[in-house]
Amino acid sequence: EAAVTQSPRNKVAVTGGKVTLSCNQTNNHNNMYWYRQDTGHGLRLIHYSYGAGSTEKGDIPDGYKASRPSQENFSLILELATPSQTSVYFCASGDVANTEVFFGKGTRLTVV
Amino acid sequence: SQLAEENPWALSVHEGESVTVNCSYKTSITALQWYRQKSGEGPAQLILIRSNEREKRNGRLRATLDTSSQSSSLSITATRCEDTAVYFCATPYGGSGNKLIFGTGTLLSVKP
Repeated sequence: EAAVTQSPRNKVAVTGGKVTLSCNQTNNHNNMYWYRQDTGHGLRLIHYSYGAGSTEKGDIPDGYKASRPSQENFSLILELATPSQTSVYFCASGDVANTEVFFGKGTRLTVV
Repeated sequence: SQLAEENPWALSVHEGESVTVNCSYKTSITALQWYRQKSGEGPAQLILIRSNEREKRNGRLRATLDTSSQSSSLSITATRCEDTAVYFCATPYGGSGNKLIFGTGTLLSVKP
């Protein structure tokens, strides 16, 4: 069964702290994505990856880094968290042509 | 500006009625995807329609694509309360189509 697992599901972080959001997929998909979702903005693409070792900037990459150490894992890193990064973050995986795309259940991040 | 945009922003219907959500996009595409996101969940892919297709069906769902006007629609017949969700269209973007860009979504409420 196709699966994208995000951890943690909920996180409270302090301003200026480092936050790492993790994503694991068992779909053997090449593409992986990190989005954030805020009311009125829909899903906005932060970073994405074509495969292990690759990361690409999405539409709103400032303040975020990404890491794809393996086919299965894709992390989003906030080196210096700010309250403006309070949001719900979704990870997704897709096959080469994105004909098949699966999302995780989301991580709710609150930066105080 | 958004590469893809759904309209209207929100819809409300009663169970059993039919409803249509529209999407306009701003770039040439090889395919367009429709997603559904229920409250508290990640988006789920509903239909993928390729640029050489005019219509695609999946049960009670019907998607159309008009590349000349750069628009698509998603119709749902015999709506049920469980169809209540936000509906997004998404377009692969970038040279290899790996960048998946979403619109801001249409909130559909189906009432008993």
